[in-house]
This record gives sequence, C-alpha cells and structure tokens, in this order.
Amino acid sequence: QQQVKQSPQSLIVQKGGISIINCAYENTAFDYFPWYQQFPGKGPALLIAIRPDVSEKKEGRFTISFNKSAKQFSLHIMDSQPGDSATYFCAADSGGYNKLIFGAGTRLAVHP
Amino acid sequence: DTAVSQTPKYLVTQMGNDKSIKCEQNLGHDTMYWYKQDSKKFLKIMFSYNNKELIINETVPNRFSPKSPDKAHLNLHINSLELGDSAVYFCASSTSPGPLYEQYFGPGTRLTVT
Repeated sequence: QQQVKQSPQSLIVQKGGISIINCAYENTAFDYFPWYQQFPGKGPALLIAIRPDVSEKKEGRFTISFNKSAKQFSLHIMDSQPGDSATYFCAADSGGYNKLIFGAGTRLAVHP
Repeated sequence: DTAVSQTPKYLVTQMGNDKSIKCEQNLGHDTMYWYKQDSKKFLKIMFSYNNKELIINETVPNRFSPKSPDKAHLNLHINSLELGDSAVYFCASSTSPGPLYEQYFGPGTRLTVT
C-alpha cells in the first residue's frame, strides 16, 4: 500500500525556472515530512523538512509548502540550476521509531 | 572522512549463493537502518537497530538477516539469493530513533543476482 504518492515521475525544467514536485499522504498520524535529494550513484541526503504545525518552510532556493487539510505538500525549487538535477523523494514519518515512508521519487533534469 | 560507508559497492553473484554487505558509521549515532531501492528507484525500509537492538523489522523474507555487532556496524546477510533480490541496498544512520533525527545514507551496494 503506497501511503505517500508523489508526482510527477519526471520533470524537465529550464535553467532559472521553478521546479515543483507534489506529494500527497493518507495517514493523518504522519507528523514529519522530509525531502531527500539523491544524485546518481549516491545515497539520498536530507534537503529540507517540515512539521505539520507550519504551512511553509524556506531554505535558500528550496521551499516546502504544506496543506494539512488537503494532506498534501510540495517542494518548490526556485531559480533551478543544472546542479539541481537529481532524484527527489518526499517522505513521511509517523513518530515512534523514525520509520520513513518514501514517495516513488521524481527525476528532475534542469537544462542549461 | 566517510560518515556512512558500505562494502562492497558492487556485488554480482549467482542465484542460490549467500552474501553479506557490511556497513559502518563513524558519526557516533545510535540508530542504523537498511533500505532497499529497486530498479524503479522505490526506497523501502527493511530493518532498523537502536543500540544493537532490532526495533524495525519490515515484511522481509527471512533469508535476510541483519546483525549489529556494535553501535557503529550493521551488516546484512542474505541467504539463497534470488533474482528479485537484485537492487541497491542502502545503509543509513541517525542520532536516535525518532522523527526529528536526520538519517544519513551510505553510498549504496548494487547487488546483481544472475
């Protein structure tokens, strides 16, 4: 059962554009929503994370928007750069033992 | 210095063989994990240990057996390998089990079963 649905599967953006990746979850017990970035041949690395008590979190060019009532959250990458080309995973955690449930991933390609 | 390291990076073996993947972290973390990433990049947790104690054991065939000799090491032994076991296996660690603790992933071990 896929508890975190992520879209799109792949995304092509021009340099300087905005990349938007969306995720939806079903379990209202989820209380922590991180985004991980994975470059080819590497392990995922935490990019940014949000708790459901805030609607937005910004770190540099990366912003998470969170809509608790709709059970949706999204990652916005402003001024996208070729170096941002990677696979992005949203995830959710239901407290307890830090069991992360990942979305299916979005492969982002930023063209110069 | 590598924070979370795995050996080997690549592993090619035949069906029916037994193999092990080793993981070590030098971050001083108490919690370690094994994840499986399939060919479609889907990432799923398999096991988690906290202070050498198994705390997460997902629905994984019992051919997979994790072992944590100490807090810094978590190994994964796989018996009677099958074609479907082909995947990239990631080790990760965090300070503690809990939602606010960042997980640090290793570089992965690409297992190919022929």
